[in-house]
Amino acid sequence: AQKITQTQPGMFVQEKEAVTLDCTYDTSDPSYGLFWYKQPSSGEMIFLIYQGSYDQQNATEGRYSLNFQKARKSANLVISASQLGDSAMYFCAMREAVNAGNNRKLIWGLGTSLAVNP
Amino acid sequence: DAGVTQSPTHLIKTRGQQVTLRCSPKSGHDTVSWYQQALGQGPQFIFQYYEEEERQRGNFPDRFSGHQFPNYSSELNVNALLLGDSALYLCASSLGDGNSPLHFGNGTRLTVT
Repeated sequence: AQKITQTQPGMFVQEKEAVTLDCTYDTSDPSYGLFWYKQPSSGEMIFLIYQGSYDQQNATEGRYSLNFQKARKSANLVISASQLGDSAMYFCAMREAVNAGNNRKLIWGLGTSLAVNP
Repeated sequence: DAGVTQSPTHLIKTRGQQVTLRCSPKSGHDTVSWYQQALGQGPQFIFQYYEEEERQRGNFPDRFSGHQFPNYSSELNVNALLLGDSALYLCASSLGDGNSPLHFGNGTRLTVT
């Protein structure tokens, strides 16, 4: 069954340090995509980074990088040089059948609450 | 370039009432999806609209229905409201390819009393 697991309900990090948020997934579909979103207290879901199952390299977007380990079915988010504005909920999500083009359903984890300390 | 806009931002309804939530997609996007996010949970997929038709549906009862208009905007309707329908309702829009990310609005916070 399709599933996303985020085992860290809450994380703390000092400003300017790096932090890793864990995400494991379960799917039998060989074609899938993994997404990370940030949700501040305002409620909006902000897209951070995407990794496709066939991508050869780990995705990077500015201070965000995705540590993709396909055999372990993990897709951890690494935030470098944390800033106070990074304090938010972080969600890992998966979409199957990405090559089919019609699937828009994302399966979400429960999220990790990140607090950046000054 | 406007992003996804949702209205209203907050809504309070009584059990048994009906509610309509509205969403305008990001410019250039033709697909709209709706998600329900209960407090402390990840979002749950309700349904997706493309070319004015419901293309996919999650595990939600028929009380949840929707519509997409020719300008790609969308409505989510919920009939016979239950206390358990209290949640943040998120609208997302996207392009047609499978690996394009969903772009979300700020959501509508629905409280059912």
